[in-house]
Amino acid sequence: SAVISQKPSRDICQRGTSLTIQCQVDSQVTMMFWYRQQPGQSLTLIATANQGSEATYESGFVIDKFPISRPNLTFSTLTVSNMSPEDSSIYLCSVEFGLAGGYNEQFFGPGTRLTVL
Amino acid sequence: GIQVEQSPPDLILQEGANSTLRCNFSDSVNNLQWFHQNPWGQLINLFYIPSGTKQNGRLSATTVATERYSLLYISSSQTTDSGVYFCAVSNFGNEKLTFGTGTRLTIIP
Repeated sequence: SAVISQKPSRDICQRGTSLTIQCQVDSQVTMMFWYRQQPGQSLTLIATANQGSEATYESGFVIDKFPISRPNLTFSTLTVSNMSPEDSSIYLCSVEFGLAGGYNEQFFGPGTRLTVL
Repeated sequence: GIQVEQSPPDLILQEGANSTLRCNFSDSVNNLQWFHQNPWGQLINLFYIPSGTKQNGRLSATTVATERYSLLYISSSQTTDSGVYFCAVSNFGNEKLTFGTGTRLTIIP
């Protein structure tokens, strides 16, 4: 596994503003993922971020709202743009590590708890 | 896409009791993971178990891939076991995890 950190751990923001969340891993990884967890709900994948290419977004998520950067193999950012109260959620990044036999296990950062007023 | 359902949605137990959590999925999978989300929101990896049985202390898990379900067993529950338990799966050739609906476990002293 690896040590995954996120900044900030929590924030309270005003509607109409933007927040950039950082995800740092202590080893190089090919694939990083960003998830959203709305209050009382399960986790939903926002996008997959590979270094050197554009992020791939899931249905219902668009780049204008959730721009993602992946400048190197240990770091990624997710921006939540033009926020509304409906964006209040926990945002989590995850990374994938290869296991013996060609399988992959995902590990998650501690999450960023966002409240939009 | 693949559908993942967990049962029961909520479970309240006395400390020391045993519990079984179930995860049903709608298609063949090459990855199945169990997570515990603690009250602070942190997701803790419990098991990577696309098939077979594993044990780690008071916890064990079994996945019957041919019948598309997985079970998580918790024995001698402690209050620190409280939280939400998620299973998550991915299909062959697709690294994206699809999360189940979760089971909220509350252990009462």
